[in-house]
Amino acid sequence: GAVVSQHPSRVICKSGTSVKIECRSLDFQATTMFWYRQFPKQSLMLMATSNEGSKATYEQGVEKDKFLINHASLTLSTLTVTSAHPEDSSFYICSAKDRSSGANVLTFGAGSRLTVL
Amino acid sequence: SQQGEEDPQALSIQEGENATMNCSYKTSINNLQWYRQNSGRGLVHLILIRSNEREKHSGRLRVTLDTSKKSSSLLITASRAADTASYFCATANTNAGKSTFGDGTTLTVKP
Repeated sequence: GAVVSQHPSRVICKSGTSVKIECRSLDFQATTMFWYRQFPKQSLMLMATSNEGSKATYEQGVEKDKFLINHASLTLSTLTVTSAHPEDSSFYICSAKDRSSGANVLTFGAGSRLTVL
Repeated sequence: SQQGEEDPQALSIQEGENATMNCSYKTSINNLQWYRQNSGRGLVHLILIRSNEREKHSGRLRVTLDTSKKSSSLLITASRAADTASYFCATANTNAGKSTFGDGTTLTVKP
């Protein structure tokens, strides 16, 4: 079945540094990937839609300069949290839709837990 | 209230019992999906039901959809301790992948 690899699974960084999270579709091509943020015991909040070869579409209230998204190939999207602060600490999850699939089924990465000190 | 609300928020049952979770939504949809999330992990797709379908089965899972009431239910029969997880419904108005997730139901199955 479809597999999405997300890396790193955990990252701890100092305030002011930038952190990059990768999301790879391993056995399918994804023209669209999605990035979410999840707070403890809460639902997923869609941050942005990553489109291969074009600019990402950000949801209202999400700072595009803070959360940089790059989708340079059909199998890789990256989320960079720039100048991270403690309030950016969260669980970040990506998902991808198989471009060859007509159904609306998303395959999720395992998530990345970011802790900003 | 946001699109895709589940109830109950938390459900605790004994192994072998059935678990029923409900999801309500507000806008028109193309399809509705149910996902499962183990603690600290990503989501796993369980089942998708299209707007023109009323019921769907997959193993021990049964999903119903009532578009007139804008609601869906997920039934897990003969639950197992390994079913302990959070369950989310997600709605979409296209097949493009963008879905809105509900608040989730945390299910605990006691052995």
